[in-house]
Amino acid sequence: GAVVSQHPSRVICKSGTSVKIECRSLDFQATTMFWYRQFPKKSLMLMATSNEGSKATYEQGVEKDKFLINHASLTLSTLTVTSAHPEDSSFYICSALQGALGGTQYFGPGTRLTVL
Amino acid sequence: AQKITQTQPGMFVQEKEAVTLDCTYDTSDQSYGLFWYKQPSSGEMIFLIYQGSYDEQNATEGRYSLNFQKARKSANLVISASQLGDSAMYFCAMREGRANSKLTFGKGITLSVRP
Repeated sequence: GAVVSQHPSRVICKSGTSVKIECRSLDFQATTMFWYRQFPKKSLMLMATSNEGSKATYEQGVEKDKFLINHASLTLSTLTVTSAHPEDSSFYICSALQGALGGTQYFGPGTRLTVL
Repeated sequence: AQKITQTQPGMFVQEKEAVTLDCTYDTSDQSYGLFWYKQPSSGEMIFLIYQGSYDEQNATEGRYSLNFQKARKSANLVISASQLGDSAMYFCAMREGRANSKLTFGKGITLSVRP
């Protein structure tokens, strides 16, 4: 149980375009999802907390207008990178919070974004 | 001060032997949770084990056990009978307060299992 999917797994786009990444909890409902960014051989950096039916909470230094988060249902959160630039190239990974086990986050497989 | 500290450099272990990955944490909360995740080269973060601050027994999950020493604020992961597939990056993480609070991750430790 506790499977989280993420789509797409890999995306290449041109500078200035927008990219949407989907995160789905497949076998449980998640009122809270999280979006992270990870640079090579580094730890995860939390970008924002996504709560179903309300606005996302962004971490300090993360531009909310650039990284749009929507959590429209209990199983789906989306991250849209708007007007992407090469510096936005990174590994983006989402997690969904399951209430059991003291609130364990289960992660999706991640999305590798490359902006040309 | 860092909330989660993982200071070991890359770790090496012989196949079938046990290995301990260190993690210390810093919090003033009474209620918190400690997690270990494995990240193989594919990038997916795989949940391994959880320890609650009020749990008196050390958590175990198959070949994984968590050596929880509350007074020392350490939560070391022990992997028994290492397998080649255990080669990966391992992250220790802490959740403070409510169950839906965010996680704070350590820098991670790279484990390589030698045949």
